[in-house]
Amino acid sequence: ETGVTQTPRHLVMGMTNKKSLKCEQHLGHNAMYWYKQSAKKPLELMFVYSLEERVENNSVPSRFSPECPNSSHLFLHLHTLQPEDSALYLCASSQRVQGPSTDTQYFGPGTRLTVL
Amino acid sequence: KNQVEQSPQSLIILEGKNCTLQCNYTVSPFSNLRWYKQDTGRGPVSLTIMTFSENTKSNGRYTATLDADTKQSSLHITASQLSDSASYICVVSSAQAGTALIFGKGTTLSVSS
Repeated sequence: ETGVTQTPRHLVMGMTNKKSLKCEQHLGHNAMYWYKQSAKKPLELMFVYSLEERVENNSVPSRFSPECPNSSHLFLHLHTLQPEDSALYLCASSQRVQGPSTDTQYFGPGTRLTVL
Repeated sequence: KNQVEQSPQSLIILEGKNCTLQCNYTVSPFSNLRWYKQDTGRGPVSLTIMTFSENTKSNGRYTATLDADTKQSSLHITASQLSDSASYICVVSSAQAGTALIFGKGTTLSVSS
């Protein structure tokens, strides 16, 4: 295991539902990330948090709302999603925010989301 | 535009054979390049990270090379095993401020017996 856990592993929801994805890291890292992975497309960075502050929001629709209550936990709140939002949502963490840093980024197993 | 292109898109090889995956990038300014392995239904796992000054790095049967002049990288897998069946993702980091990780679409490798 990588030290990053995600729940639930699978989620099916209707377009009018509200649900939340949870991520927890046990590595003592300071940075956490949400990614979206769709079939045949590169990973898309959604949000980045460093020391519980959001440092990046890559033009993600407001129906996705992140929350980082502490450096070990990250949530992604979902509401009124569209079928095209169906994808694998991956959480990751690293000691420092990625980019010039060569710190290894550790990924969780992901939540497979299906929007009906 | 910063881009990472991987080839081939998919590859099938016999167990025990070697293979090489390619990654070309147009990211500038360059900081580092990573290779990840992603098993089906799991998150990516880091294999190697190389900076501008490194041109080869190994991790067991995986050897990555980097040519910063031609902006190309390769991942060579030696004596493939069934467990090597996975998607291999090339990721390039820009030296610009911010997170700036640019992901390739990945190469899907299938190792058959």
